[in-house]
Amino acid sequence: KNQVEQSPQSLIILEGKNCTLQCNYTVSPFSNLRWYKQDTGRGPVSLTIMTFSENTKSNGRYTATLDADTKQSSLHITASQLSDSASYICVVGRGDMRFGAGTRLTVKP
Amino acid sequence: DSGVTQTPKHLITATGQRVTLRCSPRSGDLSVYWYQQSLDQGLQFLIQYYNGEERAKGNILERFSAQQFPDLHSELNLSSLELGDSALYFCASSVVAGATDTQYFGPGTRLTVL
Repeated sequence: KNQVEQSPQSLIILEGKNCTLQCNYTVSPFSNLRWYKQDTGRGPVSLTIMTFSENTKSNGRYTATLDADTKQSSLHITASQLSDSASYICVVGRGDMRFGAGTRLTVKP
Repeated sequence: DSGVTQTPKHLITATGQRVTLRCSPRSGDLSVYWYQQSLDQGLQFLIQYYNGEERAKGNILERFSAQQFPDLHSELNLSSLELGDSALYFCASSVVAGATDTQYFGPGTRLTVL
């Protein structure tokens, strides 16, 4: 079983709408949690990085939250744009990093 | 453009062969990471180097090896290639090796093993 589970697997929303992606992890010990955006065939781009003491971190229209007690994180995207269409990957750990399978987001006009 | 360069962009080879992938980190970055992304296994961390020394190791096969040179560029060597090694190989770099350092990914090398 993967130590980092993301949901939903895929999501389609209309341009301008908000959405929330989920990441649940069992990785221990916890060091940090990262969210990446990856366009098809390109390298991932870092969105946010959080340590266990941080509850929320924003990067423009992207806001990540972390609940270290329940081992859950979410990535909220506000006022979606067509360019937000990509895969969003949750990564937990330092050193031996564990990757989620990603959520494929499609934003339609 | 992240500032991380990887060569070659594409590589097609046969089973049993050996290949070398090259990565040049962003100017000033001391840490280099290698990742493998395949369709069935997603992104996996392979290995990290910091200033020429191995810092962390992930799911790297014994057939694979890497090193970071004094000029900080890194090479990933893949030998005795198998069909299952076909994947995108990414290199990333960061300033140091801190827990919250931003990693900047290169464009990747697409390896096809026939």
